[in-house]
Amino acid sequence: EAQVTQNPRYLITVTGKKLTVTCSQNMNHEYMSWYRQDPGLGLRQIYYSMNVEVTDKGDVPEGYKVSRKEKRNFPLILESPSPNQTSLYFCASSVTAATVLTFGAGSRLTVL
Amino acid sequence: GENVEQHPSTLSVQEGDSAVIKCTYSDSASNYFPWYKQELGKRPQLIIDIRSNVGEKKDQRIAVTLNKTAKHFSLHITETQPEDSAVYFCAAFNAGGTSYGKLTFGQGTILTVHP
Repeated sequence: EAQVTQNPRYLITVTGKKLTVTCSQNMNHEYMSWYRQDPGLGLRQIYYSMNVEVTDKGDVPEGYKVSRKEKRNFPLILESPSPNQTSLYFCASSVTAATVLTFGAGSRLTVL
Repeated sequence: GENVEQHPSTLSVQEGDSAVIKCTYSDSASNYFPWYKQELGKRPQLIIDIRSNVGEKKDQRIAVTLNKTAKHFSLHITETQPEDSAVYFCAAFNAGGTSYGKLTFGQGTILTVHP
């Protein structure tokens, strides 16, 4: 089944404890991206990747890192999480940029 | 950078009525405008999209219009049904310069269709 898989789906952590949210797609998509969703603010793009080894900042990249070493994987790294990073995170991919995004199921992160 | 404003933030209609959601964007380099629907507790899913070389696109009860000069685009849902109740997001894809590839979403519209 064609899908975007993110893990973990739920995570409660503490301030400063490094964590990684994994994202993997099995559709050979070139474009991958991360979003955070907060009430009243919609979806805000954190980082995006046009292809392997190519990553760019979205609108809210502060406090996050990404890498794209393989086409299928696009992990989101929070090196020192803070409470303001408590949010619902979505990974998404598409065949190329400016085409239909397929979203993962979301990862709800709470930073205490 | 790109700024996408979406209105209204909430919209309540009776079943069978039409619903219209409007978005404006700021960067003339944007050339792809998708609309996503997100049901409660679910992931966003595309319902319709339009490219800058097209003024209108229809898919059954859903239509999108684009005015490049005014930098605004709208989602039209006719004959609304209770299952149309969801949060709707517009977005603008930047195809120019250093922001190529960036996708900016609006703040979302909570649509409620009353039976």
